[in-house]
Order: sequence, then structure tokens, then C-alpha cells
Amino acid sequence: SQKIEQNSEALNIQEGKTATLTCNYTNYSPAYLQWYRQDPGRGPVFLLLIRENEKEKRKERLKVTFDTTLKQSLFHITASQPADSATYLCAPSSGGSYIPTFGRGTSLIVHP
Amino acid sequence: DGGITQSPKYLFRKEGQNVTLSCEQNLNHDAMYWYRQDPGQGLRLIYYSQIVNDFQKGDIAEGYSVSREKKESFPLTVTSAQKNPTAFYLCASSSNDATFSGYTFGSGTRLTVV
Repeated sequence: SQKIEQNSEALNIQEGKTATLTCNYTNYSPAYLQWYRQDPGRGPVFLLLIRENEKEKRKERLKVTFDTTLKQSLFHITASQPADSATYLCAPSSGGSYIPTFGRGTSLIVHP
Repeated sequence: DGGITQSPKYLFRKEGQNVTLSCEQNLNHDAMYWYRQDPGQGLRLIYYSQIVNDFQKGDIAEGYSVSREKKESFPLTVTSAQKNPTAFYLCASSSNDATFSGYTFGSGTRLTVV
């Protein structure tokens, strides 16, 4: 069955450092992969979408990579700030439909 | 401002009752979705609709029902057949063509069975 793995342990980093979150998937060949941010008690907020023919995508301090050989996406936040503290969800989806399967998310805590 | 509105924010249900969660969007999105989120778990798809008057079951549709009579609205009914309805429910909308640019989620409804 399709499986999405994100680190269940929280990632703690110091302000100003680069945070790197990992999303691995198995039994899956997604054509798209989305990343969302979720704050406690709130709905997720869309951040970035990357397609299988794109190796990297950037938006301001955010960068996403998509390695279809390794079956992995990395999500980077450069110059991290305490306001970046949240849970980040990985959501790959197959071609023909944008409907994704969501990972459980990784909690990021940025310390001042 | 365009957006997606869920109501109520908190809902309490007695066992054996049906309850309906509201979801309205003014983003002119064709597709709408309902997800359920439980602690420590990913979002699970309940139902989705890609066009008015049509909807499809997701991964965990048992005990739930929906309707899509208007483009803007996609209410979810949690029936008494749903054995464990206490959860955080999220509604989302999106385009479903080449203009797709991610889901827009509502702020959620937290349902508790009392």
C-alpha cells in the first residue's frame, strides 16, 4: 500500500539556521507533491507544489526538492524564525488527479 | 476577500444524533473536499466533489453523507452510523484543472460526542 513517511519527532533548531524536513514515500509514483503548513487548531495552508519533472522549486525563504529516484522530497526553510514554528505536511498525488495523500507531518520548533 | 468558511467552530453531539457541518467557499472553485484529522494522524479523505451535483467517496466515507447542490456549498452530515465521530473536520476547495495551485482549507470544525 502507499506509504508516506515524515519524521514523527519534532525538529528543533536555532533562529537563523536552515530547517530541512524530509518526506519519503513508497509504493507510489506521484506526479505532484505539495507542502502545507498547519498551526495548532487551524486548517493547513498551502505553501508549494512541485511536479515530477521539476527538481527544485523556490518561494522566498522556502525551497522544495523532488527526487523521484530516491522517492523523497526535502523542504528547506532558510534563515528560520520563531514564527516558522508549525507542523509541515507533505502531500503527494498521482497523475490525473490533484487529490493528495497527506503525511502525518513534522513539527518544527525554532528557538530564539 | 475570497475564502472558505466552516461552521460551527465547535460542535457537540449526543450519541445517536446526526449533525451537519457547514462549508461555504467564494473562490469559484469547482472542487471541494472533506477531511478528518485525528491526533497524530494525517488528514484522511471522507468525500470529495469535483463538480456540482456529483461527489465521490474517499477513504473513510462510512457513516458520513454529503451533498453538492451549489458550487459554493458542500455540507457534511455525520450520521449515527459513524462509530467514532470525535475529530477535527476540515473542508477544502481547489480548482481541478491546469490552474490548480493547492488546496484552500477552512479553519475546521471540532466535533465532540458527549
